[in-house]
Amino acid sequence: NAGVTQTPKFQVLKTGQSMTLQCAQDMNHEYMSWYRQDPGMGLRLIHYSVGAGITDQGEVPNGYNVSRSTTEDFPLRLLSAAPSQTSVYFCASSRDKNQPQHFGDGTRLSIL
Amino acid sequence: DAKTTQPPSMDCAEGRAANLPCNHSTISGNEYVYWYRQIHSQGPQYIIHGLKNNETNEMASLIITEDRKSSTLILPHATLRDTAVYYCIVRVLYNQGGKLIFGQGTELSVKP
Repeated sequence: NAGVTQTPKFQVLKTGQSMTLQCAQDMNHEYMSWYRQDPGMGLRLIHYSVGAGITDQGEVPNGYNVSRSTTEDFPLRLLSAAPSQTSVYFCASSRDKNQPQHFGDGTRLSIL
Repeated sequence: DAKTTQPPSMDCAEGRAANLPCNHSTISGNEYVYWYRQIHSQGPQYIIHGLKNNETNEMASLIITEDRKSSTLILPHATLRDTAVYYCIVRVLYNQGGKLIFGQGTELSVKP
């Protein structure tokens, strides 16, 4: 049982490049979410999904897209990376949105 | 979701109980108190949550005052591996998106 797996662990991009951060969970959880964490700040919700085929915006969704074609996977896409998106990104999942959430170990993204 | 106030840092001797306070004076009747911790470079880890009764699990105990305006997380026998940032979060059970609002937290240092 791997829990929540995020790949890659580290990534450096140039401004304007695109990339997808992967998140997979093997616990058959319906609810999945993406947060970003910046120095000196708490985690902020980017997007979330309450089940396959259903996604919605969190508090900081601009510049990010998501999709949820399967229960297991919830990728986060940066279409045109900007330096302001330099951050640590965490994916989380739970049985439903009201249950305690399990977090992955994060992707550290730097945009030059 | 109500806001929380925590001391920015605390020290604890190894083997002693660590008592981490949290003030949530604006909490409403349907809001739960959650505790998570984040060990350096890792994703947040769920510890415990409660509504109004004291709760205990294998990791910690949660004491909520009768008026529910404050709570204390107790790690009964702190170890060096408990050094982390501890977040107290007040959350409506059925809030939009299952969002967790992370504040600044308390940085707990367990010393030998």
